[in-house]
Amino acid sequence: EAGVAQSPRYKIIEKRQSVAFWCNPISGHATLYWYQQILGQGPKLLIQFQNNGVVDDSQLPKDRFSAERLKGVDSTLKIQPAKLEDSAVYLCASSWKGLVQETQYFGPGTRLLVL
Amino acid sequence: AQTVTQSQPEMSVQEAETVTLSCTYDTSESDYYLFWYKQPPSRQMILVIRQEAYKQQNATENRFSVNFQKAAKSFSLKISDSQLGDAAMYFCAYRSITQGNYKLTFGKGTLLTVNP
Repeated sequence: EAGVAQSPRYKIIEKRQSVAFWCNPISGHATLYWYQQILGQGPKLLIQFQNNGVVDDSQLPKDRFSAERLKGVDSTLKIQPAKLEDSAVYLCASSWKGLVQETQYFGPGTRLLVL
Repeated sequence: AQTVTQSQPEMSVQEAETVTLSCTYDTSESDYYLFWYKQPPSRQMILVIRQEAYKQQNATENRFSVNFQKAAKSFSLKISDSQLGDAAMYFCAYRSITQGNYKLTFGKGTLLTVNP
């Protein structure tokens, strides 16, 4: 079974530029999560999708971050414009139905450096 | 809001020995799930073990076991017969069972080094 795929693996941009990350969850998984992991901290949930609908985006900085999952499969996370404090690893995860006891499967992450 | 605290930023253990990683959490809920995740240097986070709060029996998965103390809000991870491949960042995480709010809240992690 293929795991969660993410691209790119690394990205370096200058502040005020825009950047987009892509995630392809495990086949059949209805729930998709985007996390931000700042160095030295645990992951923080940015947004959760159930199929193509948003379940929780309470911690997404909506003035600069956006995310979509149009067909209920893969997803993109965009930052525009980027700030220095956005430097982090962005993790995508998926689970089958989003039930509380389910395992979340994580991708390898995209490491973003904003200069 | 729930919080998860891991008070040990770093731990080290000799190969084949046992190590315990600590985790405490704060919640007003009576039912929830707790998890330990492992994040090796390659960054792909994987689930190590999970515990349902309503179960008194501590979860075990091969060499990994937990000591769940609900009243003390403590959830420690014990790794027995440590192996070099156990070296990683370990995160404790809390998950509410409130309908529609199943997000994971992570601690800051404990970096485990295994010495040969």
